[in-house]
Amino acid sequence: DAKTTQPPSMDCAEGRAANLPCNHSTISGNEYVYWYRQIHSQGPQYIIHGLKNNETNEMASLIITEDRKSSTLILPHATLRDTAVYYCIVRDGSSNTGKLIFGQGTTLQVKP
Amino acid sequence: EAEVAQSPRYKITEKSQAVAFWCDPISGHATLYWYRQILGQGPELLVQFQDESVVDDSQLPKDRFSAERLKGVDSTLKIQPAELGDSAMYLCASSLRDRPNMIQYFGPGTRLTVT
Repeated sequence: DAKTTQPPSMDCAEGRAANLPCNHSTISGNEYVYWYRQIHSQGPQYIIHGLKNNETNEMASLIITEDRKSSTLILPHATLRDTAVYYCIVRDGSSNTGKLIFGQGTTLQVKP
Repeated sequence: EAEVAQSPRYKITEKSQAVAFWCDPISGHATLYWYRQILGQGPELLVQFQDESVVDDSQLPKDRFSAERLKGVDSTLKIQPAELGDSAMYLCASSLRDRPNMIQYFGPGTRLTVT
């Protein structure tokens, strides 16, 4: 079962920052938080991941709370091409397999 | 930028027929995953390979599904016989190694429709 809770949908105005929340209250110390997105009919695309510290790359920023029970993905300047389903995934750091357990995700609609 | 390749992109087959999907991971990636995504849901792992060995096939319906990665590079997923409920997107992913901080890169997927 997915270990994360995300809102089912969100809207964002083009050019504004999109802030996508994720709750993972049962996360353990060795589990990573991953974000992927899936544009209609395509394979999931990796965005960013982190363990404890905030992370930033060319696509997005990941803010993890100090207690690690929640995180926020920030797309700084959303464009229409950012419309997609965004998945927040907690990845088990101790299991024998590295499978990603996807939940329902958040459908982000970027509007002009 | 290296990508995971999958073929075919689309496949329509009749129930009870056999169907096969092919995946070529990113060069040098030892770990390969097959996921299935039913419309409206997130992907679910079917099978995971480490090199040529299966390390997790607990969710693979073994009475009709089989997967192989004979030389530890490309992989084939087969369904025989196909059933209507197998209609889904089949996704292949690869990572350098099976480590929690190793990124899984996904291919474009194969959309299967069983009629």
